Amino acid sequence: DAKTTQPPSMDCAEGRAANLPCNHSTISGNEYVYWYRQIHSQGPQYIIHGLKNNETNEMASLIITEDRKSSTLILPHATLRDTAVYYCIVRVGNNNDMRFGAGTRLTVKP
Amino acid sequence: DTEVTQTPKHLVMGMTNKKSLKCEQHMGHRAMYWYKQKAKKPPELMFVYSYEKLSINESVPSRFSPECPNSSLLNLHLHALQPEDSALYLCASSQGQIGDTEAFFGQGTRLTVV
Repeated sequence: DAKTTQPPSMDCAEGRAANLPCNHSTISGNEYVYWYRQIHSQGPQYIIHGLKNNETNEMASLIITEDRKSSTLILPHATLRDTAVYYCIVRVGNNNDMRFGAGTRLTVKP
Repeated sequence: DTEVTQTPKHLVMGMTNKKSLKCEQHMGHRAMYWYKQKAKKPPELMFVYSYEKLSINESVPSRFSPECPNSSLLNLHLHALQPEDSALYLCASSQGQIGDTEAFFGQGTRLTVV
């Protein structure tokens, strides 16, 4: 099973881009990278996912390296409401096995 | 409707009580999950149901008993819990297909065992 490594915490200034890295060096060829976030005491919220190509949606962009061993979630213009714990997850196996790592606590500061 | 509804939102129970947590979704999802989350820790996977069959049981103690009576409903029956079982219990659902699906989470049930 692939595992992920993320920095425990990061700060970002309001209005600036937040770049959250994730290492998944043992990822398998058919495993997707997912990002979720959890705002204090709420259920996790899906952000974005990808397999090989970079992806963008209304919330964020996902950059996956060519060797797929790492990825970066980009919040282009962080706001105070983006303060949360961000989880990078690699979907393992074929039994909807979805496990969270420790995540990165992002604090957006005014 | 992209909502996963969990009830109750808060629950206080004694160690000899029997209670149940309920989770409901109407998105046609065929995979449903239970997670346990302690303060300042990531969610821990407990159980996964796929097409109403238990597909993952993470060696959870038998005092937690999951049930999936139909494709929209997931229950977690609680009996003889310990104070250390106090946590936020999260339910999630996804389409149930391999790989390319996002999961939707409920807001959780905050359980306190006294």
